Amino acid sequence: GQNIDQPTEMTATEGAIVQINCTYQTSGFNGLFWYQQHAGEAPTFLSYNVLDGLEEKGRFSSFLSRSKGYSYLLLKELQMKDSASYLCAVTDSNYQLIWGAGTKLIIKP
Amino acid sequence: ETGVTQTPRHLVMGMTNKKSLKCEQHLGHNAMYWYKQSAKKPLELMFVYSLEERVENNSVPSRFSPECPNSSHLFLHLHTLQPEDSALYLCASSQDWGTSGSEQYFGPGTRLTVT
Repeated sequence: GQNIDQPTEMTATEGAIVQINCTYQTSGFNGLFWYQQHAGEAPTFLSYNVLDGLEEKGRFSSFLSRSKGYSYLLLKELQMKDSASYLCAVTDSNYQLIWGAGTKLIIKP
Repeated sequence: ETGVTQTPRHLVMGMTNKKSLKCEQHLGHNAMYWYKQSAKKPLELMFVYSLEERVENNSVPSRFSPECPNSSHLFLHLHTLQPEDSALYLCASSQDWGTSGSEQYFGPGTRLTVT
């Protein structure tokens, strides 16, 4: 079966750095997405990785290793507004998105 | 503003009611999706429409019936639902279906409670 694993919940301190990991086992691979979802709101796109390596976008970076079936989302200089759930999703060989259950990130002052 | 709107935002219905959820996208996209989101579970893809034709139906019970009258509108018709159908129903759209890198844009969702 297809599976995406990410931690259920993480806690970090305002101003710090946090890394949210995602491992996947899917039928083929055609890219990996990270989305942010604030409570009661729609998921919004953060990043897309299809090749190995690091993609940086402001305070957020996303890393991919296809050989290890592994990605992480790195958030720097954490702000209170970063408190949200972070969803990892992989496009499989049929171009279907397989979603993880999300990581709830709690930021403390 | 995501460009995808959904109505209603909240819905409470009895098991014998019939109701419909509406989604509209203003992005000129060719693909639209219905997802079910339950607490602490992955997003469950229910239906996909590409160019107004249904291309995916992931073993969804027949009490859920989608309709896509044009590329901008998507409906989910509900009838004789069960309490376990209570969830957040999300609509999304993307430029195309069946290509890599086509990010999805989500609506705010309809919070459905079945009593």
